[in-house]
Amino acid sequence: AIQLTQSPSSLSASVGDRVIITCRASQDINSALGWYRQKPGKGPELLIYDAASLEGGVPSRVSGSGSGTDFTLTISSLQPEDFAVYYCQQFKSYPLTFGGGTKVEIK
Amino acid sequence: QVQLQESGPGLLKPSETLSLTCAVSGYSITSGFFWGWIRQSPGKGLEWIGSMHGSGSTYYNPSLKSRLTMSKDTSKNQFSLKLSSVTAADTAVYFCASSLSSPETETFDFWGQGTLVTVSS
Repeated sequence: AIQLTQSPSSLSASVGDRVIITCRASQDINSALGWYRQKPGKGPELLIYDAASLEGGVPSRVSGSGSGTDFTLTISSLQPEDFAVYYCQQFKSYPLTFGGGTKVEIK
Repeated sequence: QVQLQESGPGLLKPSETLSLTCAVSGYSITSGFFWGWIRQSPGKGLEWIGSMHGSGSTYYNPSLKSRLTMSKDTSKNQFSLKLSSVTAADTAVYFCASSLSSPETETFDFWGQGTLVTVSS
């Protein structure tokens, strides 16, 4: 199975900060990657698909980049609703796998 | 708007079979897209359980394959999961989800609210 390693596992940031989360795949997955945000007690929300495509309704301060094995999720100006846990997910091959998550907390 | 809603028992005893159903509205499950199950153990990350294509093809996580069956009821526009011989390790919130972005993309864009399943004697 393809392993996804996210870093950092947690970070503290302030409203307005730029935040970058990375996801590294154990093998080449081309652009077969998505990013999710999960708020406490809720299901995940898709933010990015195909590594860099913004899901409808997601604000443009969120962006994704990368291909192959290294990917990033960037939030250009952190807003209160962005404090949550973020997950990457690959769909290059079965079994689908998720990264371990990155918790973004308020500084 | 696509909506998904999980239903099923919240409490099971070890060795019983977990049965969950996901009722879908706003989109046909026979379309050329994927419908999946994902779970999350308390305080943990996300684990993909399996997916079903609108054609009926199924794809299972190898770690669960021997105990897992996914099926669909097109007359009710719903799909289901059965996981046999459950243990405490199967205690989790179970989500059903759909992947409707494109036929080649399997990221989940619509999710149910999730249902907590607890396995305890």
